[in-house]
Amino acid sequence: EPEVTQTPSHQVTQMGQEVILRCVPISNHLYFYWYRQILGQKVEFLVSFYNNEISEKSEIFDDQFSVERPDGSNFTLKIRSTKLEDSAMYFCASSDRTPYEQYFGPGTRLTVT
Amino acid sequence: AQSVTQLDSHVSVSEGTPVLLRCNYSSSYSPSLFWYVQHPNKGLQLLLKYTSAATLVKGINGFEAEFKKSETSFHLTKPSAHMSDAAEYFCVVSVDSFKTIFGAGTRLFVKA
Repeated sequence: EPEVTQTPSHQVTQMGQEVILRCVPISNHLYFYWYRQILGQKVEFLVSFYNNEISEKSEIFDDQFSVERPDGSNFTLKIRSTKLEDSAMYFCASSDRTPYEQYFGPGTRLTVT
Repeated sequence: AQSVTQLDSHVSVSEGTPVLLRCNYSSSYSPSLFWYVQHPNKGLQLLLKYTSAATLVKGINGFEAEFKKSETSFHLTKPSAHMSDAAEYFCVVSVDSFKTIFGAGTRLFVKA
């Protein structure tokens, strides 16, 4: 069964450093998403991406964040200058249409020290 | 604006007894509603979805949910809990947009 994959599974970085989280969505999907879940809190929507552009973003997704689909298979989330409060589990998801079923990856745990 | 409220942060049941996880939503339009499950250190797995077809939706692992528009509810049920059902459950709403709203989650404990 096709699945969304994410790398790395765990990333540790120092405050102020740039990080790139990578996702490979399901191959025939057209809609891509990033979410985050701070430990002990709810899953929060960050951004959605369709047709090579951001379709919607939350208040969390400020200028420190960017997304890109650099080739036909990867979807990346970049955090330009990490803060301690960026420590969270980041989930990538994809769907073949919206607002329907999204398939989630296993997540990348980001720890900012 | 849409929102999701999961009425219980924790639910504890005994193995073999019924499960009820409650979810209420608020939406200006006809929503799509989902239940996802998250096992410890795992990603999110779709249990079931409602997308304006039958109001009683059957999902995986014996779970089902009923969409009740008059009560704005989408409660998740299972007739008989199994130890492997212990996990966190999220009710999710999506309204014809690219944005999906998660509830705060309900942690289900299953006692032997």
